Amino acid sequence: DAGITQSPRHKVTETGTPVTLRCHQTENHRYMYWYRQDPGHGLRLIHYSYGVKDTDKGEVSDGYSVSRSKTEDFLLTLESATSSQTSVYFCAIRGDPGLGAKADTQYFGPGTRLTVL
Amino acid sequence: DQQVKQNSPSLSVQEGRISILNCDYTNSMFDYFLWYKKYPAEGPTFLISISSIKDKNEDGRFTVFLNKSAKHLSLHIVPSQPGDSAVYFCAAGGSSGSARQLTFGSGTQLTVLP
Repeated sequence: DAGITQSPRHKVTETGTPVTLRCHQTENHRYMYWYRQDPGHGLRLIHYSYGVKDTDKGEVSDGYSVSRSKTEDFLLTLESATSSQTSVYFCAIRGDPGLGAKADTQYFGPGTRLTVL
Repeated sequence: DQQVKQNSPSLSVQEGRISILNCDYTNSMFDYFLWYKKYPAEGPTFLISISSIKDKNEDGRFTVFLNKSAKHLSLHIVPSQPGDSAVYFCAAGGSSGSARQLTFGSGTQLTVLP
C-alpha cells in the first residue's frame, strides 16, 4: 500500500469554512494525486504533484488548492467548503520502480469522507 | 465527455461461475489499462494491468483482455468467489500524458452469490 495515510478519515463541516485534508506517504514517491469519488462518476482527478512545490490542476480543480512542501506530504485545501464538495477524497501515489513498485500504477490511501452541511 | 465508460453499474454472478466486467474507452492515445477493486470504506486496490502491446494478461483467477480495434477491455474472474464482491473500476493512461494521469470509469458493483 506504499505506506499512504490520510487524515482525518471523517470530517463534518459547515458551508463556507476552510478545510484541509492531509496525505502522507513514507516511501518518497515523486508523484502524488488527489481524487474525489462520487456515485456515477468514479474517481475524478482534482490536483496532482510531480515533486516538491510542483503541482498542477486536474479535471475538477475549481474550489480546491494543494500544497506540497515536503516529498511525503500532499495537502488538499477547500478554501470555502460548499455542499457540492461533500464526497470521499482519495490520495494516491504513482509507483516508482526504483522503490520497488510497479510502474504506471497508482496506489491509494484509505480515503477521507467529507460532509459539508 | 467520459473517455472511459463502464456501462454496467452492477453485475450478479453465482459462486464458482465466471464474472465478466467490461470497459470501453474513446481516447486512442491510451496505451495502458488497469483494473482496481474497491471494498466499502477502503481505498481502491490495484488488481491487474495490461499494456497496449498485449491483448491478454493473466494473474491467477484474473485475466484482462484488450481489444484495441474495438477500444474495449474486459476483466474475467474465474472462478468467482464471495470475497470478490466489490466495486471494480477500470482505468486508462497514456504515456504522453502529463504526470501519467489515469482516467477512471464509473465502476461496476460485482456481487457474487453463494
